Amino acid sequence: AQRVTQPEKLLSVFKGAPVELKCNYSYSGSPELFWYVQYSRQRLQLLLRHISRESIKGFTADLNKGETSFHLKKPFAQEEDSAMYYCALRPTDTGKLIFGQGTTLQVKP
Amino acid sequence: SAVISQKPSRDICQRGTSLTIQCQVDSQVTMMFWYRQQPGQSLTLIATANQGSEATYESGFVIDKFPISRPNLTFSTLTVSNMSPEDSSIYLCSVGTGNGGVGYTFGSGTRLTVV
Repeated sequence: AQRVTQPEKLLSVFKGAPVELKCNYSYSGSPELFWYVQYSRQRLQLLLRHISRESIKGFTADLNKGETSFHLKKPFAQEEDSAMYYCALRPTDTGKLIFGQGTTLQVKP
Repeated sequence: SAVISQKPSRDICQRGTSLTIQCQVDSQVTMMFWYRQQPGQSLTLIATANQGSEATYESGFVIDKFPISRPNLTFSTLTVSNMSPEDSSIYLCSVGTGNGGVGYTFGSGTRLTVV
């Protein structure tokens, strides 16, 4: 079965603390993985893709095929990072995305 | 990236009626999708809107309930038919841009409440 699991519904940290938003996936093939973010009153937007191996707004995510994980990390959280974060998987040869349940990140001052 | 205009942004509808949601893109796109986000839930794909042919529906979604049109490469509509309170959700249009869906852009969503 194709599935994305984000085990934490809410993650609350203090400003300046490290952040790790967990994402595990279930897929037999070679997936393409994404992190999307939705700030308050804004539309869902792409944060990063695993194949780009980029860092956006200080966030990085590494695909670990052995652990079937794609955790999102940031060394020092900022208050403006407070948002809902979704991990998503795109199966090979399809255009659709399969989303995890989402994790609300709350960064306290 | 593509810019999506989705409307209406919200509506309150009576049960048994239908609502049509429009999705307009500022450029031609191959892939266009409709998602549903029920209260407190994640996004679930309803269907892929195919230009010039019938939409491809995901398990649990049927054409009679969610008819979709895609008359050209920049426009699509989703109709929520014979609505019940369980249809109260946010409905989102999404397009894939670039090779292999390099980027996915989402509309701002339609917040539907059925009373």
